[in-house]
Amino acid sequence: DAKTTQPNSMESNEEEPVHLPCNHSTISGTDYIHWYRQLPSQGPEYVIHGLTSNVNNRMASLAIAEDRKSSTLILHRATLRDAAVYYCILLRSYNTDKLIFGTGTRLQVFP
Amino acid sequence: DSGVTQTPKHLITATGQRVTLRCSPRSGDLSVYWYQQSLDQGLQFLIQYYNGEERAKGNILERFSAQQFPDLHSELNLSSLELGDSALYFCASSVHPASGELFFGEGSRLTVL
Repeated sequence: DAKTTQPNSMESNEEEPVHLPCNHSTISGTDYIHWYRQLPSQGPEYVIHGLTSNVNNRMASLAIAEDRKSSTLILHRATLRDAAVYYCILLRSYNTDKLIFGTGTRLQVFP
Repeated sequence: DSGVTQTPKHLITATGQRVTLRCSPRSGDLSVYWYQQSLDQGLQFLIQYYNGEERAKGNILERFSAQQFPDLHSELNLSSLELGDSALYFCASSVHPASGELFFGEGSRLTVL
């Protein structure tokens, strides 16, 4: 499985945009980029996924580099509830078999 | 609320004992996954079932076993428990393996004393 690299931690202030980066230089053409997050004391939660084009949903936006070697999860206005560990995961052929979580980025949001 | 129900929420037991963790997937979901999360290991994939059949296996110990029943609920059996088995055990479900989105339960916290 292709590997992803994320910063260990990031900080943001409430109501500011947050850009969470993910590097995946060994991504293959059939790898989808998925983002999950885990709020304190809860199970992981699906956030968004994409293949080549940028994606938007009610929770976030996903910006994918043209060469697909990196991506950025964008939270448009951070809230205190967005404080969580964010995981960037590559999945081959749109298949969630063996969804493998790395160490993720711990996002702190300050009021 | 993800729609995935796990019981029990908390469990305290002794070394050498055996426990069973139960998971009810979201209505309509055919695939069930089990994950273990400990402080030093992060989230580790254990095993996946699809419509009653084992589909993928991760770092699941031989002392652990799981199954998915005809009504699609799943159980994770942990035996000969060791202190190091203390962890949060999460169940997740999806409509099918290619759905791209997993729904996780709130977890079962196991403490082995």
